[in-house]
Amino acid sequence: EAQVTQNPRYLITVTGKKLTVTCSQNMNHEYMSWYRQDPGLGLRQIYYSMNVEVTDKGDVPEGYKVSRKEKRNFPLILESPSPNQTSLYFCASSPQGLDEQFFGPGTRLTVL
Amino acid sequence: AQTVTQSQPEMSVQEAETVTLSCTYDTSESDYYLFWYKQPPSRQMILVIRQEAYKQQNATENRFSVNFQKAAKSFSLKISDSQLGDAAMYFCAYSPRYSTLTFGKGTMLLVSP
Repeated sequence: EAQVTQNPRYLITVTGKKLTVTCSQNMNHEYMSWYRQDPGLGLRQIYYSMNVEVTDKGDVPEGYKVSRKEKRNFPLILESPSPNQTSLYFCASSPQGLDEQFFGPGTRLTVL
Repeated sequence: AQTVTQSQPEMSVQEAETVTLSCTYDTSESDYYLFWYKQPPSRQMILVIRQEAYKQQNATENRFSVNFQKAAKSFSLKISDSQLGDAAMYFCAYSPRYSTLTFGKGTMLLVSP
């Protein structure tokens, strides 16, 4: 089944404890992206990647890192999480940037 | 920076009726895509419909259609014969070629029997 998977789906952590949210797609898509969703703000793009080893900042990249070493994986790294990073995170992929983006199920992150 | 504005935080419609959700955007690009995504309570993001800016014909997907006014930078979604399953948050989104995807803040659609 073609899909985008994210792990973990739920995470509660404490300020400053490094964490990684994994994202994987099995559709051989070139484009992958991370978004965060906050009440009243919609979805905002954090980082995106046009292809392997190519990443670019979105609208809200501060406090996040990404890497794209393999086509299928695009992990989101929070080196030192803070409470303002408590949010619902979505990973998405598409064959190319303008195509329909397929979204993962979301990761609910709480930073205490 | 591009912006997408959804001026209706919430809309209500009765089953079988028609409802229109509004979206405006700001861009200096001439080549771009516009999308409507649906987010039901499950939180899954589901593509409803998309429009390519260079196509003058409005996109249609079954009960969903858009009114794309490029000069006015307007992209409204019309849902005909509304069903209870249409109840969800709807997001309008804009994407220039090979670049970022910008979402509006969403419109919550309530459907009553």
